Amino acid sequence: SQTIHQWPATLVQPVGSPLSLECTVEGTSNPNLYWYRQAAGRGLQLLFYSVGIGQISSEVPQNLSASRPQDRQFILSSKKLLLSDSGFYLCAATLRASYGYTFGSGTRLTVV
Amino acid sequence: GESVGLHLPTLSVQEGDNSIINCAYSNSASDYFIWYKQESGKGPQFIIDIRSNMDKRQGQRVTVLLNKTVKHLSLQIAATQPGDSAVYFCAEGVGGSNDYKLSFGAGTTVTVRA
Repeated sequence: SQTIHQWPATLVQPVGSPLSLECTVEGTSNPNLYWYRQAAGRGLQLLFYSVGIGQISSEVPQNLSASRPQDRQFILSSKKLLLSDSGFYLCAATLRASYGYTFGSGTRLTVV
Repeated sequence: GESVGLHLPTLSVQEGDNSIINCAYSNSASDYFIWYKQESGKGPQFIIDIRSNMDKRQGQRVTVLLNKTVKHLSLQIAATQPGDSAVYFCAEGVGGSNDYKLSFGAGTTVTVRA
C-alpha cells in the first residue's frame, strides 16, 4: 500500500515570503499526484496534478506553482505568499490503474 | 462536482442512531464513487467505494447506495458513535484516463450527540 508523507505539518509565514511544501510517496511507482487546498470549513479545491516527472497541470490560476522533480516527489511553491494562500494543503496519490486516492496528513499554512 | 467556496452542510445525530449522508454528483460518465472521512486537522481517509455497476455495497457499519438515475449517492452509518464525528466527502471519478481526477462534493459535517 502507498504512504504519503507531507511536511511540515504546520507553517506560519509572513505575507510576501516564499513557500515550499514537499510531498513524497512510498510504496508505489508512477503514481498520479495531486495538490488540494482546503479553506477553513470548506471543501477540497484541486490546485495541481501530475501524471509524470516534469508534467504539471494547473486547475486554478493563482499565486502558486508545482513541480515534480522525481517520480515520487511533488512540491508546491510560491515566490510571494498572499493572505489568501492560508489554508490546509493536502497531497494525494493514486495509481493510474487504481481509482482511490491516498491522502497525506496535510500542512496547515497560516499567512500573517 | 467540486465544492470550491461552499460552506459545508451539517448533520447532528444522537449517539446510537443511524446516520444518512447524501451527495448529488454531476458527471453522468462517472463510474467510480468513494466516501471519505476527514477528522479535524487530518487528511481524508477512505471509508467505502462503489462502482457504477452496483447500487449497494456494505462495509463494517457503513452502507453506500448509488442511484444513477438521479445521480445520487448516500452513506449510511449504523449505530453512530462519537468517533464518527467528522466531515464526510463523496467523490466521483471516470476510470481509465491517464489524467484521472476525482471530483469532491461539498462535504457534510457530522456531529454526534452523547
